[in-house]
Amino acid sequence: ILNVEQSPQSLHVQEGDSTNFTCSFPSSNFYALHWYRWETAKSPEALFVMTLNGDEKKKGRISATLNTKEGYSYLYIKGSQPEDSATYLCASRNSGGYQKVTFGIGTKLQVIP
Amino acid sequence: DVKVTQSSRYLVKRTGEKVFLECVQDMDHENMFWYRQDPGLGLRLIYFSYDVKMKEKGDIPEGYSVSREKKERFSLILESASTNQTSMYLCASTFDGTVDNEQFFGPGTRLTVL
Repeated sequence: ILNVEQSPQSLHVQEGDSTNFTCSFPSSNFYALHWYRWETAKSPEALFVMTLNGDEKKKGRISATLNTKEGYSYLYIKGSQPEDSATYLCASRNSGGYQKVTFGIGTKLQVIP
Repeated sequence: DVKVTQSSRYLVKRTGEKVFLECVQDMDHENMFWYRQDPGLGLRLIYFSYDVKMKEKGDIPEGYSVSREKKERFSLILESASTNQTSMYLCASTFDGTVDNEQFFGPGTRLTVL
């Protein structure tokens, strides 16, 4: 079983603050890195899929970067809003075959109004 | 809009009962997955299926079986439920294995085994 680690496990920020968190994953046989947002009582939803070293993706105030050589990805949220409160999951795919990924435990973000 | 639905949001069963969790997706996806999520642990893969009647064990298949008789439906079966199977169960699907697709998740079933 691959080891995908996320830090911090939980985070409280004030509305308007920017924040970031980390996902580390095995760099060997790397194929893709996924970020998901999981709001309470809802289904996890995909934010980004990244495959290339140096990839940067952006969706509104949220962006992510990828370093496949050292095995980490950062997720950034600029100007956090209460609706950003959720658990952010990353998942690494480290070989081909049937889309099997390994998830980290997530970073639970609470944005305080 | 892809929809992945699960048969129940909450389920309470007794130890030893046979439990069926159903998952249906409406977008003709090839791959379907069953995960469980427990506090302090990431989503852990129980089983997945890449085609009708095909299945592969995930990381924690013990105590579970699956069935995929139709492309849109993937069932998780607990042959004899035990208290350590109390968990949140999530179903997911992806289009195919040729490109790296996001997983589309169902809303989850919170199973309690008494």
